[in-house]
Amino acid sequence: GIQVEQSPPDLILQEGANSTLRCNFSDSVNNLQWFHQNPWGQLINLFYIPSGTKQNGRLSATTVATERYSLLYISSSQTTDSGVYFCAVFRSFGNEKLTFGTGTRLTIIP
Amino acid sequence: EAGVAQSPRYKIIEKRQSVAFWCNPISGHATLYWYQQILGQGPKLLIQFQNNGVVDDSQLPKDRFSAERLKGVDSTLKIQPAKLEDSAVYLCASSSPLAGGFEQYFGPGTRLTVT
Repeated sequence: GIQVEQSPPDLILQEGANSTLRCNFSDSVNNLQWFHQNPWGQLINLFYIPSGTKQNGRLSATTVATERYSLLYISSSQTTDSGVYFCAVFRSFGNEKLTFGTGTRLTIIP
Repeated sequence: EAGVAQSPRYKIIEKRQSVAFWCNPISGHATLYWYQQILGQGPKLLIQFQNNGVVDDSQLPKDRFSAERLKGVDSTLKIQPAKLEDSAVYLCASSSPLAGGFEQYFGPGTRLTVT
């Protein structure tokens, strides 16, 4: 099956800092989603971005499908950004499953 | 628009007991998924329904887990009998091909502790 790797595994930043999270995947995909899992376990949809660039407030994401990676940018970090960030990919042919990456644990220090 | 609803939010049971979780997807979403998330890992798909039919249950431990979606709307996941390794968060998600395809939306999850 498809492999999804995220880096870095852990990231600790001061409030106000910027960060870049990376997601590499091993094969072509139809769907890529970024999620934020908050400390209560809720998976919050950030972006649905199989290709191109999207922005939502302080967050933006870019997927380069031909090179099989996606980046999530967080600017001016706030303590509420803390949690685990997952990317997940899906291929529609063969009814493959949404495959989650290994996650990046982000901790924002006040 | 209401999100995916799940209940209960937390459950503690002893091993060999049974437990059931309930999920109500986003209105109009034909596809419903149950995931298991063990601490420190990403969610793993257990079963996928399209309306009231099973599309994929290849990773569902069928000797102890069962799931149904009788009317094509809400769904129930059951574990009987529970084992210690079933301690995890159980997440329900839904999606709609009509809404542009493959984006999945997740509920708040049920945290199960088996003692």
